Amino acid sequence: DVKVTQSSRYLVKRTGEKVFLECVQDMDHENMFWYRQDPGLGLRLIYFSYDVKMKEKGDIPEGYSVSREKKERFSLILESASTNQTSMYLCASSLSGSSYEQYFGPGTRLTVT
Amino acid sequence: AQKITQTQPGMFVQEKEAVTLDCTYDTSDQSYGLFWYKQPSSGEMIFLIYQGSYDEQNATEGRYSLNFQKARKSANLVISASQLGDSAMYFCAMREGPDSSYKLIFGSGTRLLVRP
Repeated sequence: DVKVTQSSRYLVKRTGEKVFLECVQDMDHENMFWYRQDPGLGLRLIYFSYDVKMKEKGDIPEGYSVSREKKERFSLILESASTNQTSMYLCASSLSGSSYEQYFGPGTRLTVT
Repeated sequence: AQKITQTQPGMFVQEKEAVTLDCTYDTSDQSYGLFWYKQPSSGEMIFLIYQGSYDEQNATEGRYSLNFQKARKSANLVISASQLGDSAMYFCAMREGPDSSYKLIFGSGTRLLVRP
């Protein structure tokens, strides 16, 4: 079974803090993704990576950066957290190939106060 | 413009009955793929079913089937014989563009509640 794990289920941070969200997958997938999920908006892609050290911006990259130093790990960084970044963050991974589904982690609910 | 539209924010269905969740999409690409995911209250997204734009047959996976109507740009999910455990949010998603593009675009979701 594919396993995608995220470092925290719940996180509370203060405005202006630097926040790291970690994601690890154990199935040797080439692709990894970070989404945020907000009520009524579905999932929106923040960044994705198709190889180590490679990254591409998604639909809402502003205020975020990512790091992929190893194939199994994809980190999302909030350089200076703001209250409008309070959200559910979901990590996913997939094999290369258009028909392959993405496997998701359990999510991190981040609250910025 | 919305790429993926799910017009039903919430739905009820009686246990053991079938239910259809609507999804329409907008793309000018010839090659695209459509996915359905389930999100229970635990939060994890679970892949249900996939339909490629060139697939001639409607996809089926157990109690899930995808009613793919290409000309109408619709990809409705049909769940047969609903179970209490089917109560969840359901998301339709599309991958469009060349095969090297792995981005998924999600709809806003439909919350399904199965009544005993």
